[in-house]
Amino acid sequence: EIVLTQSPATLSLSPGERATLSCRASQRVSSYFAWYQQKPGQAPRLLIYDASNRASGIPARFSGSGSGTDFTLTISSLEPEDFAVYYCQQRSNWPRTFGQGTKVELK
Amino acid sequence: EVQLLESGGGFVQPGGSLRLSCAASGFTFSDFSMTWVRQAAGKGLEWVSTIRSSGDSTYYTDSVKGRFTISRDNSKNTLYLQMNSLAAEDTALYYCVKGGYNRYFEYWGQGTLVTVSS
Repeated sequence: EIVLTQSPATLSLSPGERATLSCRASQRVSSYFAWYQQKPGQAPRLLIYDASNRASGIPARFSGSGSGTDFTLTISSLEPEDFAVYYCQQRSNWPRTFGQGTKVELK
Repeated sequence: EVQLLESGGGFVQPGGSLRLSCAASGFTFSDFSMTWVRQAAGKGLEWVSTIRSSGDSTYYTDSVKGRFTISRDNSKNTLYLQMNSLAAEDTALYYCVKGGYNRYFEYWGQGTLVTVSS
């Protein structure tokens, strides 16, 4: 099983600041990698797929990078609606796995 | 607009069974793999099972193998999850998700809650 480790667990930032979230895979996943956003009481939403492609309707302030085992989600300038939990996920191998999540909270 | 509407959740005693359903609309259901993902209260996301578009291949997380069965009826645009021998650790919100085999988890339903308790 590919284990995905996200860091940090919690990121305390203010609106307008830059957020950098990391995810490390226990083995190479090529670019079969995604990021999801989940707000309280809502279902997750696909943000980034294939490591660096924004899903439909996702604002340009969200960007993804990385390949192999190390991946980054960057939010260039936090908007109030961006405070949420973010999960990484791989579809390189079975079982599909998620990271444990990074909470981006208001400082 | 893609819509995924789960149903069938509820309260069940340990060892009991439940069958979840997911009614899909807004896309050609028979063209896409489908997945169940669960989330225990206050916890992260856990992939449970995926079925290919034709239904000929299924995949399960180890903890549910032999107890859960994923299936689909492409004529009814509906995904199912038959859950047997339920245990307390199966308590979670179960999401129906479009994708999962050769695609990412593109669209999610709002979930149906399964509670296993004596």
